[in-house]
Amino acid sequence: SAVISQKPSRDICQRGTSLTIQCQVDSQVTMMFWYRQQPGQSLTLIATANQGSEATYESGFVIDKFPISRPNLTFSTLTVSNMSPEDSSIYLCSVEGLGWRGTYEQYFGPGTRLTVT
Amino acid sequence: DQQVKQNSPSLSVQEGRISILNCDYTNSMFDYFLWYKKYPAEGPTFLISISSIKDKNEDGRFTVFLNKSAKHLSLHIVPSQPGDSAVYFCAARARGSQGNLIFGKGTKLSVKP
Repeated sequence: SAVISQKPSRDICQRGTSLTIQCQVDSQVTMMFWYRQQPGQSLTLIATANQGSEATYESGFVIDKFPISRPNLTFSTLTVSNMSPEDSSIYLCSVEGLGWRGTYEQYFGPGTRLTVT
Repeated sequence: DQQVKQNSPSLSVQEGRISILNCDYTNSMFDYFLWYKKYPAEGPTFLISISSIKDKNEDGRFTVFLNKSAKHLSLHIVPSQPGDSAVYFCAARARGSQGNLIFGKGTKLSVKP
Protein backbone atom coordinates (compact mmCIF):
# COMPACT_ATOMS: atom_id res chain seq x y z
CA SER A 1 0.00 0.00 0.00
CA ALA A 2 1.04 3.63 -0.48
CA VAL A 3 1.73 6.06 2.33
CA ILE A 4 0.28 9.48 1.65
CA SER A 5 0.86 12.65 3.65
CA GLN A 6 -0.90 15.99 3.34
CA LYS A 7 -0.18 19.50 4.55
CA PRO A 8 -1.76 21.31 6.25
CA SER A 9 -3.90 18.92 8.25
CA ARG A 10 -6.38 21.69 8.94
CA ASP A 11 -6.80 25.41 8.42
CA ILE A 12 -9.26 28.18 9.08
CA CYS A 13 -9.31 30.76 6.31
CA GLN A 14 -11.15 33.97 5.54
CA ARG A 15 -13.45 34.20 2.57
CA GLY A 16 -11.84 35.55 -0.58
CA THR A 17 -8.43 34.06 0.20
CA SER A 18 -6.76 30.97 -1.28
CA LEU A 19 -5.21 27.90 0.30
CA THR A 20 -2.76 25.46 -1.28
CA ILE A 21 -2.82 21.88 -0.04
CA GLN A 22 0.19 19.63 -0.57
CA CYS A 23 0.16 15.88 -1.10
CA GLN A 24 3.24 13.65 -0.92
CA VAL A 25 3.30 9.92 -1.78
CA ASP A 26 6.05 7.52 -0.74
CA SER A 27 6.25 5.92 -4.20
CA GLN A 28 6.07 7.08 -7.80
CA VAL A 29 2.57 7.03 -9.22
CA THR A 30 1.24 8.01 -12.62
CA MET A 31 -2.01 9.52 -11.43
CA MET A 32 -3.01 11.29 -8.26
CA PHE A 33 -6.58 12.15 -7.41
CA TRP A 34 -8.12 14.95 -5.38
CA TYR A 35 -11.39 14.37 -3.54
CA ARG A 36 -13.64 16.52 -1.41
CA GLN A 37 -15.94 15.52 1.43
CA GLN A 38 -18.43 18.20 2.34
CA PRO A 39 -20.07 18.07 5.78
CA GLY A 40 -22.50 15.15 6.00
CA GLN A 41 -21.76 14.04 2.45
CA SER A 42 -19.76 11.26 0.86
CA LEU A 43 -16.46 11.75 -0.94
CA THR A 44 -16.53 13.26 -4.43
CA LEU A 45 -13.74 13.31 -7.01
CA ILE A 46 -12.60 16.83 -7.93
CA ALA A 47 -9.89 16.07 -10.48
CA THR A 48 -7.18 13.71 -11.67
CA ALA A 49 -3.61 15.04 -11.66
CA ASN A 50 -1.27 13.57 -14.26
CA GLN A 51 2.44 14.30 -14.23
CA GLY A 52 3.43 16.40 -17.21
CA SER A 53 -0.05 17.34 -18.36
CA GLU A 54 -3.01 19.39 -17.25
CA ALA A 55 -5.35 17.99 -14.65
CA THR A 56 -8.67 16.51 -15.69
CA TYR A 57 -11.65 17.95 -13.82
CA GLU A 58 -14.94 16.29 -13.01
CA SER A 59 -18.26 17.89 -13.79
CA GLY A 60 -18.92 20.79 -11.46
CA PHE A 61 -15.25 21.56 -10.80
CA VAL A 62 -13.15 24.06 -12.78
CA ILE A 63 -9.47 24.84 -13.03
CA ASP A 64 -9.87 28.50 -12.04
CA LYS A 65 -11.37 27.49 -8.72
CA PHE A 66 -9.21 24.42 -8.04
CA PRO A 67 -5.86 24.78 -9.84
CA ILE A 68 -3.66 21.71 -9.51
CA SER A 69 0.05 21.21 -9.95
CA ARG A 70 1.85 17.92 -10.51
CA PRO A 71 5.58 18.67 -10.79
CA ASN A 72 6.78 15.06 -10.33
CA LEU A 73 5.60 11.51 -9.75
CA THR A 74 5.36 11.75 -5.96
CA PHE A 75 3.89 15.21 -5.34
CA SER A 76 0.83 17.29 -6.13
CA THR A 77 -0.85 20.45 -4.89
CA LEU A 78 -4.47 21.55 -4.94
CA THR A 79 -5.35 25.20 -4.47
CA VAL A 80 -8.79 26.28 -3.33
CA SER A 81 -9.14 29.80 -4.75
CA ASN A 82 -11.28 32.74 -3.72
CA MET A 83 -12.79 30.73 -0.92
CA SER A 84 -16.33 30.98 0.36
CA PRO A 85 -17.95 29.21 3.33
CA GLU A 86 -19.34 26.61 0.88
CA ASP A 87 -15.75 25.43 0.33
CA SER A 88 -15.54 24.26 3.93
CA SER A 89 -14.78 20.57 3.47
CA ILE A 90 -12.21 17.88 3.94
CA TYR A 91 -9.90 17.68 0.93
CA LEU A 92 -8.20 14.35 0.32
CA CYS A 93 -5.44 13.16 -1.95
CA SER A 94 -5.64 9.61 -3.33
CA VAL A 95 -3.63 7.15 -5.41
CA GLU A 96 -4.35 3.76 -6.95
CA GLY A 97 -2.52 0.55 -6.28
CA LEU A 98 -2.54 -3.20 -6.70
CA GLY A 99 -3.01 -5.58 -3.80
CA TRP A 100 -0.81 -8.60 -3.32
CA ARG A 101 -3.36 -10.72 -5.15
CA GLY A 102 -3.48 -8.27 -8.03
CA THR A 103 -6.71 -6.73 -6.84
CA TYR A 104 -7.48 -3.06 -7.42
CA GLU A 105 -6.98 -0.84 -4.41
CA GLN A 106 -7.12 2.91 -3.84
CA TYR A 107 -5.53 4.73 -0.93
CA PHE A 108 -6.28 8.06 0.67
CA GLY A 109 -4.27 10.61 2.56
CA PRO A 110 -5.30 11.82 6.01
CA GLY A 111 -7.15 14.80 4.57
CA THR A 112 -7.03 18.57 5.04
CA ARG A 113 -9.92 19.98 7.02
CA LEU A 114 -10.71 23.45 5.69
CA THR A 115 -13.04 25.89 7.40
CA VAL A 116 -13.86 29.14 5.64
CA THR A 117 -15.26 31.96 7.74
CA ASP B 1 -29.55 9.91 -7.99
CA GLN B 2 -27.29 7.91 -5.70
CA GLN B 3 -25.47 5.13 -7.50
CA VAL B 4 -24.11 3.61 -4.29
CA LYS B 5 -26.39 3.37 -1.28
CA GLN B 6 -25.76 2.41 2.28
CA ASN B 7 -29.23 2.40 3.75
CA SER B 8 -28.25 1.87 7.37
CA PRO B 9 -26.69 4.99 8.88
CA SER B 10 -25.69 3.08 11.98
CA LEU B 11 -25.20 -0.43 13.35
CA SER B 12 -24.51 -1.64 16.87
CA VAL B 13 -22.96 -5.05 17.53
CA GLN B 14 -21.67 -6.89 20.58
CA GLU B 15 -17.96 -7.66 20.74
CA GLY B 16 -17.17 -11.12 19.37
CA ARG B 17 -20.28 -11.26 17.20
CA ILE B 18 -20.53 -10.75 13.44
CA SER B 19 -20.96 -7.28 11.93
CA ILE B 20 -22.69 -7.18 8.55
CA LEU B 21 -22.57 -3.93 6.61
CA ASN B 22 -24.66 -3.67 3.48
CA CYS B 23 -24.38 -1.71 0.27
CA ASP B 24 -26.57 -1.51 -2.85
CA TYR B 25 -25.68 -0.09 -6.24
CA THR B 26 -27.48 0.77 -9.44
CA ASN B 27 -24.77 1.03 -12.11
CA SER B 28 -24.07 -2.26 -13.89
CA MET B 29 -20.83 -0.76 -15.27
CA PHE B 30 -19.12 -0.95 -11.89
CA ASP B 31 -16.21 -3.40 -12.11
CA TYR B 32 -14.65 -3.01 -8.67
CA PHE B 33 -16.10 -2.50 -5.22
CA LEU B 34 -14.13 -1.32 -2.23
CA TRP B 35 -14.72 -0.96 1.50
CA TYR B 36 -13.13 1.71 3.66
CA LYS B 37 -13.01 2.36 7.36
CA LYS B 38 -12.84 5.93 8.60
CA TYR B 39 -12.12 7.31 12.05
CA PRO B 40 -12.97 10.93 12.87
CA ALA B 41 -10.34 13.42 11.67
CA GLU B 42 -8.58 10.77 9.55
CA GLY B 43 -8.71 9.81 5.88
CA PRO B 44 -10.47 6.62 4.77
CA THR B 45 -8.41 3.46 5.31
CA PHE B 46 -8.68 0.83 2.58
CA LEU B 47 -9.98 -2.50 3.93
CA ILE B 48 -10.81 -4.87 1.11
CA SER B 49 -11.95 -4.86 -2.51
CA ILE B 50 -13.67 -7.26 -4.84
CA SER B 51 -13.78 -7.52 -8.59
CA SER B 52 -17.14 -7.83 -10.30
CA ILE B 53 -16.09 -11.24 -11.63
CA LYS B 54 -15.86 -12.63 -8.11
CA ASP B 55 -18.56 -13.27 -5.53
CA LYS B 56 -16.39 -13.42 -2.44
CA ASN B 57 -13.10 -12.08 -1.19
CA GLU B 58 -11.65 -12.73 2.22
CA ASP B 59 -8.85 -11.07 4.18
CA GLY B 60 -8.47 -12.04 7.80
CA ARG B 61 -11.56 -11.03 9.75
CA PHE B 62 -13.02 -9.21 6.74
CA THR B 63 -15.03 -10.87 3.98
CA VAL B 64 -16.85 -9.11 1.18
CA PHE B 65 -19.70 -10.82 -0.67
CA LEU B 66 -20.98 -9.62 -4.02
CA ASN B 67 -24.38 -10.51 -5.46
CA LYS B 68 -24.41 -9.07 -8.96
CA SER B 69 -27.93 -10.10 -9.82
CA ALA B 70 -29.21 -8.20 -6.79
CA LYS B 71 -26.65 -5.40 -7.19
CA HIS B 72 -25.79 -5.87 -3.57
CA LEU B 73 -22.62 -6.32 -1.58
CA SER B 74 -21.90 -6.82 2.07
CA LEU B 75 -18.92 -6.64 4.38
CA HIS B 76 -18.71 -9.20 7.17
CA ILE B 77 -16.44 -8.63 10.14
CA VAL B 78 -15.92 -11.69 12.33
CA PRO B 79 -15.31 -11.50 15.21
CA SER B 80 -16.10 -7.85 15.80
CA GLN B 81 -13.79 -5.93 18.11
CA PRO B 82 -14.26 -2.57 19.86
CA GLY B 83 -11.45 -1.16 17.68
CA ASP B 84 -13.65 -1.81 14.64
CA SER B 85 -15.94 1.02 15.76
CA ALA B 86 -15.78 3.55 12.93
CA VAL B 87 -17.69 4.73 9.86
CA TYR B 88 -17.56 2.24 6.99
CA PHE B 89 -17.87 3.41 3.40
CA CYS B 90 -18.72 1.31 0.40
CA ALA B 91 -17.31 2.58 -2.92
CA ALA B 92 -17.48 1.46 -6.53
CA ARG B 93 -15.46 2.10 -9.68
CA ALA B 94 -16.95 2.06 -13.15
CA ARG B 95 -15.11 0.15 -15.87
CA GLY B 96 -12.56 2.44 -17.51
CA SER B 97 -12.99 5.16 -14.91
CA GLN B 98 -9.63 5.25 -13.19
CA GLY B 99 -9.50 6.69 -9.72
CA ASN B 100 -13.11 7.86 -9.78
CA LEU B 101 -14.75 6.06 -6.91
CA ILE B 102 -18.42 6.57 -6.21
CA PHE B 103 -18.99 6.45 -2.46
CA GLY B 104 -21.96 5.63 -0.31
CA LYS B 105 -22.77 7.86 2.63
CA GLY B 106 -21.36 5.45 5.19
CA THR B 107 -22.55 3.30 8.08
CA LYS B 108 -21.38 4.04 11.60
CA LEU B 109 -20.49 0.78 13.35
CA SER B 110 -20.35 0.62 17.13
CA VAL B 111 -18.91 -2.52 18.68
CA LYS B 112 -19.79 -2.75 22.34
CA PRO B 113 -17.55 -4.62 24.81
